[in-house]
Amino acid sequence: GAVVSQHPSWVICKSGTSVKIECRSLDFQATTMFWYRQFPKQSLMLMATSNEGSKATYEQGVEKDKFLINHASLTLSTLTVTSAHPEDSSFYICSAREGRGRTDTQYFGPGTRLTVL
Amino acid sequence: RKEVEQDPGPFNVPEGATVAFNCTYSNSASQSFFWYRQDCRKEPKLLMSVYSSGNEDGRFTAQLNRASQYISLLIRDSKLSDSATYLCAVGAAASKLTFGTGTRLQVTL
Repeated sequence: GAVVSQHPSWVICKSGTSVKIECRSLDFQATTMFWYRQFPKQSLMLMATSNEGSKATYEQGVEKDKFLINHASLTLSTLTVTSAHPEDSSFYICSAREGRGRTDTQYFGPGTRLTVL
Repeated sequence: RKEVEQDPGPFNVPEGATVAFNCTYSNSASQSFFWYRQDCRKEPKLLMSVYSSGNEDGRFTAQLNRASQYISLLIRDSKLSDSATYLCAVGAAASKLTFGTGTRLQVTL
């Protein structure tokens, strides 16, 4: 199956710092990548849809100036959490949509666990 | 009403048992349906897509009921390794998926 990597797998930072998370599709080109956030014992919540070469589409309630998304190539999307605060601590997961076969199948990266002190 | 709803469980079943989960969705325009498995503190992994005609993969069977707007997952001959949270995902436009909160399954000896 399609492989998606995510880096870093975990990060601990001080309040006020910015954190960048990378999402890469390793063996396919992903025109669309998705960023989710999951709090403990809750469902995955879609934050934004990232399209290569264009601006990301953010879900209602997600601040685009706080969660900066860049999708500069067909295999890489980045999410930057700017001025992180403890309430931003969460499990951030990206997924990439594979364009072969069923075009709406999403494959997930291993996630990044962010802890803001 | 939530877009996608699942019974959170947990479902505690003995090894070898058959267990079934349902997932209801509210958007009648939904076009794609999936079951994902998520282990504790890990990312979701695609278990199977759900087709209108129903589909089977080994011990797992998925079905879609468009009239009643639900999908189901049946696991036969449960193994200890099946213990996980099972998420259903429903897609409508633009490939966006909406996930349920998941149903936790615990298979015991």
